[in-house]
Amino acid sequence: KAGVTQTPRYLIKTRGQQVTLSCSPISGHRSVSWYQQTPGQGLQFLFEYFSETQRNKGNFPGRFSGRQFSNSRSEMNVSTLELGDSALYLCASSLGGGNQPQHFGDGTRLSIL
Amino acid sequence: EDKVVQSPLSLVVHEGDTVTLNCSYEVTNFRSLLWYKQEKKAPTFLFMLTSSGIEKKSGRLSSILDKKELFSILNITATQTGDSAIYLCAVGIVDSSYKLIFGSGTRLLVRP
Repeated sequence: KAGVTQTPRYLIKTRGQQVTLSCSPISGHRSVSWYQQTPGQGLQFLFEYFSETQRNKGNFPGRFSGRQFSNSRSEMNVSTLELGDSALYLCASSLGGGNQPQHFGDGTRLSIL
Repeated sequence: EDKVVQSPLSLVVHEGDTVTLNCSYEVTNFRSLLWYKQEKKAPTFLFMLTSSGIEKKSGRLSSILDKKELFSILNITATQTGDSAIYLCAVGIVDSSYKLIFGSGTRLLVRP
């Protein structure tokens, strides 16, 4: 079974630009969660989608948004990029029934110049 | 505020040593505790614990949860250089839906 696939693997952007990251979950998984990982803050929850609906959102500004498609693939968008948005963005999928382990993709490394 | 605290932050051992990693938590609406291993890329799922006192084991790794004292430990016996990684503890909670709160991780280095 293929794992969670995230694209692109690396991105370099400049301040003020916007970016879209993509995540394809494990086949059959309907829940997709996004996390931001930085050296200072560790892994922080961004949001979770299930059946095309955002069920939960972390404490991030409105510049961070996402969506999920009918095939469970998800995208995350960050607008008006800031230097502090430089991070590893990880996507995780699960069956979504609650108390199911989340399985992570390799992440997208975003660098803001 | 929900929080997960891991200790030690880093650890250097020699091959063959046994290590114990600690994870304590203070959260509302606890559902589960998970351990992940992160090398250069994706955190890899190790264990999920929901009940107190029941040890989960996989090869040289084992873990147990104490829901009364709000902590978990991850043991690695006969360590190998391939065990070098960051070990992440995460607690699953439910507010509007299930989500994970992560600790800052323990960086383990196993020297030959």
